Order: sequence, then structure tokens, then C-alpha cells
Amino acid sequence: NAGVTQTPKFRILKIGQSMTLQCAQDMNHNYMYWYRQDPGMGLKLIYYSVGAGITDKGEVPNGYNVSRSTTEDFPLRLELAAPSQTSVYFCASSYHRDAFFGQGTRLTVV
Amino acid sequence: AQTVTQSQPEMSVQEAETVTLSCTYDTSESDYYLFWYKQPPSRQMILVIRQEAYKQQNATENRFSVNFQKAAKSFSLKISDSQLGDAAMYFCAYRSALRKTSGSRLTFGEGTQLTVNP
Repeated sequence: NAGVTQTPKFRILKIGQSMTLQCAQDMNHNYMYWYRQDPGMGLKLIYYSVGAGITDKGEVPNGYNVSRSTTEDFPLRLELAAPSQTSVYFCASSYHRDAFFGQGTRLTVV
Repeated sequence: AQTVTQSQPEMSVQEAETVTLSCTYDTSESDYYLFWYKQPPSRQMILVIRQEAYKQQNATENRFSVNFQKAAKSFSLKISDSQLGDAAMYFCAYRSALRKTSGSRLTFGEGTQLTVNP
């Protein structure tokens, strides 16, 4: 039972580069989320999805894009990486009550 | 919009003693869930305990219990018989029970770093 799987676990990007953070869940959850966690802070919502083909912005969406073509996958795209996007990124999924988190991706933009 | 506030950035406790972490929240909704998550240095988000707002009885999970005061919008976590493995960042989180409310997102507090002294 894999749960929520995020790849990669670590990544260093140069300013202006782009990348996609992958997230997959095998629990058939409709709801999926991307959060970022800055050092010593709580998690802030970037984007969320309530089902395949439906996405919406969270608190801090600028500089990111998402897509949800299947129930299982919810990739997060960073375009033109900036130092302000240095953070730990968490993907999560849920059905109704509890949310399940991936292991996180530590991204550094230099 | 809902907000969650943790007013204690850091707390410490002696091993085997009891510590209480504070959390307050603001919402206009009546049906919701409250959670405490633990984040050790591995950064994994681990669900410690949950409370349904419609339940008056405080949730308990082994050494972890909560004091849920709905009218005061307060949700504190008590850790009894503290162990070295309890050292971590603890986050309080709110979630609406209404699925249409922003996709039932979790709203987190800023966290409390708990140190357990041997």
C-alpha cells in the first residue's frame, strides 16, 4: 500500500529553470492538494483538486501550475524558478475526513 | 476564511512529564474537524489525533489527548509521559466538513517545536 508518492525527494534548480514535481496516490481519493512549507513555518496551500479535470488556486498559487488528468496523479509545475520558491513541497490526498501526505520534496533554487 | 493560531513557537518538557500545546482557531462554520499533526526531522506529516466538532467528548489516542472547547474555539493537545521520540514540530490544523468549502482544504497553524529533555 504505497499511499501518496512524491518524486523527487530532493532537487536543486537554477533560477529560471522549470520542473515538474510528481505526485501519485493509489487510494482512489478525489481530493488532492499541494502545499509548501517554508523553514519554521506551517503549510500553505498552493493548488487543490476535487477530481479529475478540476483544479483551483489556493493561498499561494503564483509561479505554479497544476493539472489533474487522472484520479491518481496531480503534478505541480514550476515555471521560471525563483529563489522565493525554495521550500519543501507536500502533496496530500483525502476522501473525506483524514488527509494523507507524501514524504515531501525539498527544492532549492540557486 | 478560517485561521489557525499556535501561540507557542517552542515548548520543552522533561522526559516522563506532561506538556500541553495550545491552538486557537477562527471559523463561522459549525461542522468541522480539528487535527494535530507531528512532523519529526524526517519531515513526514504524521496524524496524531483528530476531533470532530459535533462530538463533545474529547479525543484520546494513548498518551495523546485533546481539550476541545468549541465555544472558545480552542483545541489544545496534551502529551502525557513524554518520550524522547515525541520531540518534533507539532501542527494544529482545521478542516471544514463541508466538501464544497474550498475542496475541504486543511488550514494549518504555524507550528510548535517541542523539545523533550532526558
